Parts: sequence; C-alpha cells; structure tokens
Amino acid sequence: SQTIHQWPATLVQPVGSPLSLECTVEGTSNPNLYWYRQAAGRGLQLLFYSVGIGQISSEVPQNLSASRPQDRQFILSSKKLLLSDSGFYLCAWSVDRGSGELFFGEGSRLTVL
Amino acid sequence: LAKTTQPISMDSYEGQEVNITCSHNNIATNDYITWYQQFPSQGPRFIIQGYKTKVTNEVASLFIPADRKSSTLSLPRVSLSDTAVYYCLVGGSSNTGKLIFGQGTTLQVKP
Repeated sequence: SQTIHQWPATLVQPVGSPLSLECTVEGTSNPNLYWYRQAAGRGLQLLFYSVGIGQISSEVPQNLSASRPQDRQFILSSKKLLLSDSGFYLCAWSVDRGSGELFFGEGSRLTVL
Repeated sequence: LAKTTQPISMDSYEGQEVNITCSHNNIATNDYITWYQQFPSQGPRFIIQGYKTKVTNEVASLFIPADRKSSTLSLPRVSLSDTAVYYCLVGGSSNTGKLIFGQGTTLQVKP
C-alpha cells in the first residue's frame, strides 16, 4: 500500500533562518507531488507541484522553493524565513494522469518568530 | 482549471442530513469531482469522488447533475464528529497535474 510521510511535524524558527521540509512517498512510482500551505483559519494554498523528477511548477511567488531530487521525494526550502511563512504545510501525492484524488501527509506546523 | 465555489459555513444538528453544494461552471470534460474532509491540524481526507450522476459509499453520497456544473455532497445523519471543513476539488483531466482547492465549507454540527 502507498504511504506518505513528511517531517518535521513541528518546528519553530526565527525570522531570517533557513527552512527544509521533506516529504517521501512509498508504494507508488512517478507520482504527482504537491506542497500546500494553510494559514490559520484559512484554506489550502497550492505552493508547488511536480509531475516528475526535476520538474517543479510554482504557483505563488515568494521566498520558498521546492525540489524533487528523487522520484518519490519532495523538499520545500527557504533561505530566509519571513513571519508570513508561518502556517501548516501539507505534502500530497496523486496518481500521474489520474482522477485528481490526493493523498495527504500528516502536515508540518511552522511557526516563525 | 475549474474554479469552485462553496458556502463558507453551514450549521446543522445531530441526526440531520446535510447537503453541501459546490459550483464549478467551467469544469472540463474529463475532470472528476472529489470531496475532502479536514479536521484541525490534519491533512484533508478523501470522502467521495464522482464523474456524473450519483455515487454513494459508506459515509456519503455525491449528486452530480447532467451538466456537471455543480455537485452536492450529502452526509446522512450527521454527528458531532462530522464538524469539519469540507472541500470540493475539480480536476484530473489536465496533464499539468495542477490541483487547486476552493475556500471550503466549515460545517458545525450542534447537539
């Protein structure tokens, strides 16, 4: 069966510090991968998605970046965090060229102070 | 990409049936309609998916009219534990992989 893991689950970072969130998927190959962010009390904002290794599409211009070094690994990064980067970050995967059904990870809660 | 519109919030009482409608006027021919449930500090969870007419599973029903420009999620006999945010997502036909959520509907079930 397929599983998705993301870490860390919680982190508190000072403004201006770097960020790295990692997500891995098991039990499937060539998945579409996604990073969403959810600010407190808000909906799901699509940040990045990827349909293959090294293929990253950015939805929102910001100080975040994403990389896909391996087929089932998706990394969200920042060189310098802003206060507005605080939120709940969710990684998800879907079947390539599938029906659009998404499977989400447990989420990573980031607080920037 | 099809944009979705849902009510921001709804209230209900335990034991009642709840219907949440989502509008998606520019749905593409090959798009599917998928509904998710999200509890605080958790990722959304799949509830049901359909393409046309009616789909039913153990937790919900999904009604899709012939023109597919809207869909209605029906939750029978809700309980307090159904209090959550519900999202409809339209997509799957595009080979870009892009999937965007609407604002979701916050359902509050009262005793």
